[in-house]
Amino acid sequence: DAGVIQSPRHEVTEMGQEVTLRCKPISGHNSLFWYRQTMMRGLELLIYFNNNVPIDDSGMPEDRFSAKMPNASFSTLKIQPSEPRDSAVYFCASSPQGANTEAFFGQGTRLTVV
Amino acid sequence: RKEVEQDPGPFNVPEGATVAFNCTYSNSASQSFFWYRQDCRKEPKLLMSVYSSGNEDGRFTAQLNRASQYISLLIRDSKLSDSATYLCVVIHSASKIIFGSGTRLSIRP
Repeated sequence: DAGVIQSPRHEVTEMGQEVTLRCKPISGHNSLFWYRQTMMRGLELLIYFNNNVPIDDSGMPEDRFSAKMPNASFSTLKIQPSEPRDSAVYFCASSPQGANTEAFFGQGTRLTVV
Repeated sequence: RKEVEQDPGPFNVPEGATVAFNCTYSNSASQSFFWYRQDCRKEPKLLMSVYSSGNEDGRFTAQLNRASQYISLLIRDSKLSDSATYLCVVIHSASKIIFGSGTRLSIRP
């Protein structure tokens, strides 16, 4: 079975550029999560979708970050404009029934903003 | 005070040893608890859920102490392959998910 699929795996971009991260959750899962991981702050929840609807985006750092889930099989996280402090590993995860069940993580996108 | 706290380690123990670490949480209304394992430069993966009555999965035992607000993970007969970072997860509500910063474990031959 295919797990959560993220693309790209690595992204290097210049400060000020737009970055779009993509995620395909596991088929049949109704919850999708975007996380960011850094050495300083650990793993932080950015936004949580349930049935394609954003439930909690309180973790989104600022207006430069936006996330969409146009259908059950696809989500994007966009940063515009990007800044060096956005450099991190961004994980997408999905779960079959909300936040209280096991979350399956994708392999992550390692973003470097120079 | 952080909402979820873990000793960052590293814990460096010999193969075959028993090792235990805790994770404390501040919100007494927390509902669900998990332990995840993360290998270097890999994604986190669920190790086990933590139930009120405690639960065991092979060499791994997880326990919850609501009175003192901590969860624990015990690993018996540790293997080299147990070397990883162990993340505790505390869930307050449907969307309030907090990961601990992780405890690094290194098993030496």
